[in-house]
This record gives sequence, structure tokens and C-alpha cells, in this order.
Amino acid sequence: QSVLTQPPSVSAAPGQKVTISCSGSSSNIGNNYVSWYQQLPGTAPKLLIYDNNKRPSGIPDRFSGSKSGTSGTLGITGLQTGDEADYYCGTWDSSLSAVVFGGGTKLTVL
Amino acid sequence: EVQLVESGGGLVQPGGSLRLSCAASGFTFSSYWMHWVRQPPGKGLVWVSRINGDGFSIAYADSVKGRFTISRDNAKNTLYLQMNSLGVEDTAVYYCARVGRDLQFDPWGQGTLVTVSS
Repeated sequence: QSVLTQPPSVSAAPGQKVTISCSGSSSNIGNNYVSWYQQLPGTAPKLLIYDNNKRPSGIPDRFSGSKSGTSGTLGITGLQTGDEADYYCGTWDSSLSAVVFGGGTKLTVL
Repeated sequence: EVQLVESGGGLVQPGGSLRLSCAASGFTFSSYWMHWVRQPPGKGLVWVSRINGDGFSIAYADSVKGRFTISRDNAKNTLYLQMNSLGVEDTAVYYCARVGRDLQFDPWGQGTLVTVSS
């Protein structure tokens, strides 16, 4: 069981918008930055969002992040079939003194 | 181009040992914290260990503490993970990652598969 809770799966049609939640606590998300990673099938994870809402260079603005209290949210607009992947949130947990990741959310673009 | 390339994975019997390497290029290796993260087959990401730029600050997940040792050779731009007393639960793809000031993992290596089985 992961410290950070994500929905196992989400789905939406091409062109639509989807959000993925990441729920934690005051010891992790509540007091630390959240990052988001995309893992396409058979590949290594890739940084999508850091510092709750910043995008690295090369990441399209269709991807966005936000944080409120002890939860983070990844938003993806204008869905494409190439967005089908597993998405993970991650942050530091001060109580565990460890990096923690969510269990991952599988995005299906119908 | 910033690049990380892992090697050293393979099949090992329970109780055995393995050393993973992560060769870094395209950035000032000694300036960055480096981490290992693993992913069991069909499952999510699990943090394993971290080391700071000069190698003097180290931390481990409880599940590997006392069995795994992280180290680095800044002259060779290489990160290591020595894994001892391996169990079937250690079977996973192991990734190394460069980690920024705000704990952003970027980039990740391509991963190396460790299979612990008799």
C-alpha cells in the first residue's frame, strides 16, 4: 500500500481533459513539493511536473499541476492516444525520511 | 545531452549479491544528489536509496537497509548500488535518477532488470 493514494485508472476520449489526484498527508504533500512522472509502456519514467506546478522544458502546456493542502492534481488537456501511460506522483515524507511515490494511475485514451 | 545508463542487472539466486552501476554523462555529476528507484514487475515505483554529491550523506529505504550499499565515484561519473542477501522480493527493474534541489527526478536511466530466483 502506497503512502500516496492515486486512482488506479482513469479514462477519457481523445481531445478531452482528465485529472489525476494524489492524496497524502501533512508529513508529505502537505509540507513538500509534488512531482509528477509519465511512464509510457516499456520505458523509464519521465518528469512531467515539479514544484507542484512547474513544467520542465519540452513538456507541452497541455500538462499542468496543482496542489491544495495534502493533495496534488495532474491535469491533461487535449488528450492524445500517445498520452496513454502510467502516471505517478512523488514527494518527500518527513516522518518516514524517505521519498514516496503514489501507486500509479493508468490513463486510457478511448 | 544528460544521460544515465545502468548496467549490472541479471539473474541471481536468493541470498546472492549483485552490483549495479549507473554511468552519467552530460552534466557535472559531483554536483547532484543521485537516487536509486526500483519497480517490481507490473507494480509501481519504490524508492531505494540516495546519496549526495560528495558521497557523505546517504539514506536507504527500510526494506533494503543493512543489505544494500549506495556509493559513487565522481572521478568516473558513476553511481553504484551493491546489493547483498538478495531475496525474491528484490526482483525489479532498478532505475538510477539525477535529482534536483526540489526532489525532481530528472532524468532517469533506462533501467536494469534484477531477477532473484532459484
